[in-house]
Amino acid sequence: QVQLQESGPGLIKPSETLSLTCTVSDASITTHYWGWIRQPPGKGLEWIGYMYHSGGTNYNPSLKSRVTISGDTSKNQVSLRLSSVTAADTAVYYCARGVEGVVQFDSWGQGALVTVSS
Amino acid sequence: DIQMTQSPPSLSASVGDSVTFTCRASQSISRYVNWYQMKSGKAPKLLIYAASNLHSGVPSRFSGSGSGTEFTLTISSLQPEDFATYHCQQSYSPFLTFGGGTRVEVK
Repeated sequence: QVQLQESGPGLIKPSETLSLTCTVSDASITTHYWGWIRQPPGKGLEWIGYMYHSGGTNYNPSLKSRVTISGDTSKNQVSLRLSSVTAADTAVYYCARGVEGVVQFDSWGQGALVTVSS
Repeated sequence: DIQMTQSPPSLSASVGDSVTFTCRASQSISRYVNWYQMKSGKAPKLLIYAASNLHSGVPSRFSGSGSGTEFTLTISSLQPEDFATYHCQQSYSPFLTFGGGTRVEVK
């Protein structure tokens, strides 16, 4: 049973860069897709992007200029960086494993709340 | 981008009830719809992929149907652990989008 665990600062200031790490257990990040999804308080889910097992990426066009998703195969971790954050980036951030083809996310982390506030 | 609209936003039901809710796409997306269950503080769960395929380990009381622009998720006999929020997601476009969710509450 694959397990994903998000970690990172829970509070960051406006204009800073949000950095989160997803540690993957019982699966290798060299297979499947590895994505990030977020849910602002009281709102719906927003797909941020994903990393292919080959290392390529696909990002939400509305966030593309600020987002970087990368992997560290030695640690079996996937990272998210979101630059120049504002209060609108306050959300629960989830990492998830995506399956090639239909691109369903079949395993998710519990999520990490990140608050942007001065 | 493809908009996914779920209805109703919430519904009230009792244990044992059969409930159905809908996800409509702003354009035809074939059968590229997945359904998730979300509970606060817990990892979301994949229920259905490609419109009607039951994900491994998901109880058979969950079923999905539809194609094109209209999709449904049915829970045939609601159990206490099914009170949650359900989201659809399209993957027809490389720009993935989710519906706003349907919250299933205790009547």
